[in-house]
Amino acid sequence: EAGVTQFPSHSVIEKGQTVTLRCDPISGHDNLYWYRRVMGKEIKFLLHFVKESKQDESGMPNNRFLAERTGGTYSTLKVQPAELEDSGVYFCASSRTRGAHEKLFFGSGTQLSVL
Amino acid sequence: GNSVTQMEGPVTLSEEAFLTINCTYTATGYPSLFWYVQYPGEGLQLLLKATKADDKGSNKGFEATYRKETTSFHLEKGSVQVSDSAVYFCALYSGGGADGLTFGKGTHLIIQP
Repeated sequence: EAGVTQFPSHSVIEKGQTVTLRCDPISGHDNLYWYRRVMGKEIKFLLHFVKESKQDESGMPNNRFLAERTGGTYSTLKVQPAELEDSGVYFCASSRTRGAHEKLFFGSGTQLSVL
Repeated sequence: GNSVTQMEGPVTLSEEAFLTINCTYTATGYPSLFWYVQYPGEGLQLLLKATKADDKGSNKGFEATYRKETTSFHLEKGSVQVSDSAVYFCALYSGGGADGLTFGKGTHLIIQP
């Protein structure tokens, strides 16, 4: 069984540009989460999808961030326009059951650098 | 709100040394507690968990006990190996508010042969 896949693994962009991160969850996992780790800080929850619906987006920093999960399969996280403080590692995670954090599988993350 | 505080490191130990990584938390209600590990180039993996007071989670020689009175969940291992070198994250889930886990900043552990 394939794990959670994220790409690109690294992205370097200039301030003001747009970047789209993608996450492919494990097949059959309805729950998909996005997290972000800014250098030297905690990993922060961004949002949670159940299938194609956003269940909780309380962690999204501002309206420059847009997450989608059309069809309830893969998800994208777009940052437009990117700012310096958006640099960090963006993690995606998926689970079959909501709230089952002991059965949460993480991707290896996308390292985003905004210059 | 919820928060997790853990020693940041890096923590450098010799092989076969005893390991303790401290973790304390603040949370509403009765959270579940977790330790995750991230090996170089990989995603986070659940190492162990505890869901109620006095529970002990254990895996791969690591242990942590849910201490409600001290709001702590310290990670311990009696004899570390070079292969334990990784970043360790303490986390909690309280379920009452946001759907996500609350993490600490992570502790970078380096084991020298």
